[in-house]
Amino acid sequence: GNSVTQMEGPVTLSEEAFLTINCTYTATGYPSLFWYVQYPGEGLQLLLKATKADDKGSNKGFEATYRKETTSFHLEKGSVQVSDSAVYFCALSLGGATNKLIFGTGTLLAVQP
Amino acid sequence: EAQVTQNPRYLITVTGKKLTVTCSQNMNHEYMSWYRQDPGLGLRQIYYSMNVEVTDKGDVPEGYKVSRKEKRNFPLILESPSPNQTSLYFCASSPWGPYEQYFGPGTRLTVT
Repeated sequence: GNSVTQMEGPVTLSEEAFLTINCTYTATGYPSLFWYVQYPGEGLQLLLKATKADDKGSNKGFEATYRKETTSFHLEKGSVQVSDSAVYFCALSLGGATNKLIFGTGTLLAVQP
Repeated sequence: EAQVTQNPRYLITVTGKKLTVTCSQNMNHEYMSWYRQDPGLGLRQIYYSMNVEVTDKGDVPEGYKVSRKEKRNFPLILESPSPNQTSLYFCASSPWGPYEQYFGPGTRLTVT
């Protein structure tokens, strides 16, 4: 079936460190891929997306590249800030008959000053 | 301001007492959806709606009902809540499908 696997957290980094959160997927088709972010006490917000292979999504210094050959969509940021502390969710959508987003379990990122 | 609103934000209730969580969006979106978020499980879809009067089950629909009588509103109904429905619930909407969804702030429900 269709699924998303994320690295388990929590991930604890110092400010200005490099961030990678791994995400791999299984899908019977050509999904669109997303990263959502959930700040404490809030709902999820779309962070970035990619709709086809080799697309790179980017926003707020975060990047992720849709890699079809490795079925991955890893999230990266060159220099994290304390304000980036949040839970990050990788998700896929196949649209069509499925009509839903399939989420990973989320990765908690804690950035220390 | 474009937003998805949910009410109440927090609710403590007892087993078997019917409740409704309201969801409203002001973006004229076609697609709306309900999720529950549980530790270690991420978000799981309960129900979704492609348009007015069109609803369908998600992955965990048991114990829930929904309706979509108006485009902007998509209430979640628990006819007889049980403790295993204690969770954090999110409503979401998007212009036309399950792609870029806008989420509400969440409703934390506790059933004792």
